[in-house]
Amino acid sequence: RKEVEQDPGPFNVPEGATVAFNCTYSNSASQSFFWYRQDCRKEPKLLMSVYSSGNEDGRFTAQLNRASQYISLLIRDSKLSDSATYLCVVNTGNQFYFGTGTSLTVIP
Amino acid sequence: GAVVSQHPSRVICKSGTSVKIECRSLDFQATTMFWYRQFPKQSLMLMATSNEGSKATYEQGVEKDKFLINHASLTLSTLTVTSAHPEDSSFYICSARSTGTGFTGELFFGEGSRLTVL
Repeated sequence: RKEVEQDPGPFNVPEGATVAFNCTYSNSASQSFFWYRQDCRKEPKLLMSVYSSGNEDGRFTAQLNRASQYISLLIRDSKLSDSATYLCVVNTGNQFYFGTGTSLTVIP
Repeated sequence: GAVVSQHPSRVICKSGTSVKIECRSLDFQATTMFWYRQFPKQSLMLMATSNEGSKATYEQGVEKDKFLINHASLTLSTLTVTSAHPEDSSFYICSARSTGTGFTGELFFGEGSRLTVL
């Protein structure tokens, strides 16, 4: 079983839509969780860390469910500039495990 | 915020030559850095974990004699692709885990190095 499972998509949504991505992780001892954004031919950039209490940054909301071992990212009021690949990353010990990335295209 | 700098961003070389890529953490000390490879439209693939002052740990299927990693200081790791061949053409990215006051242990990535072997 993979350490991190993520639906690769693609997700094609109209501007203004709300879209949600999920990742599941296999190791209950995992301690830190992150969402990264990767644009085409660029390096991944940290979008937000994910905390147990859930956290919000503008239109982006991240949640962690330790009991079910998944993390989620919600994007509200999608913008064209949100089009990218979104990677979930799980830290277990000294290792970081990546989801395959979910491709999002926001359509005018 | 923390910055990881990677150089060169783009390199074209002839088959059989060696190419060195540098990864520097600018705002924090990194005892561990990670090297990845990414082919077009594919996921990041971890190649190796670079440990300061000791040997790198390679992932299964990655040839340690071909991809030489040196992590001689707390702010610099290098990846040398030896005797490069066209199939080594890829996007190579390093990352480092942030440490110290004000950081939450997230990964910061270098800008990536696009290698083209002719």
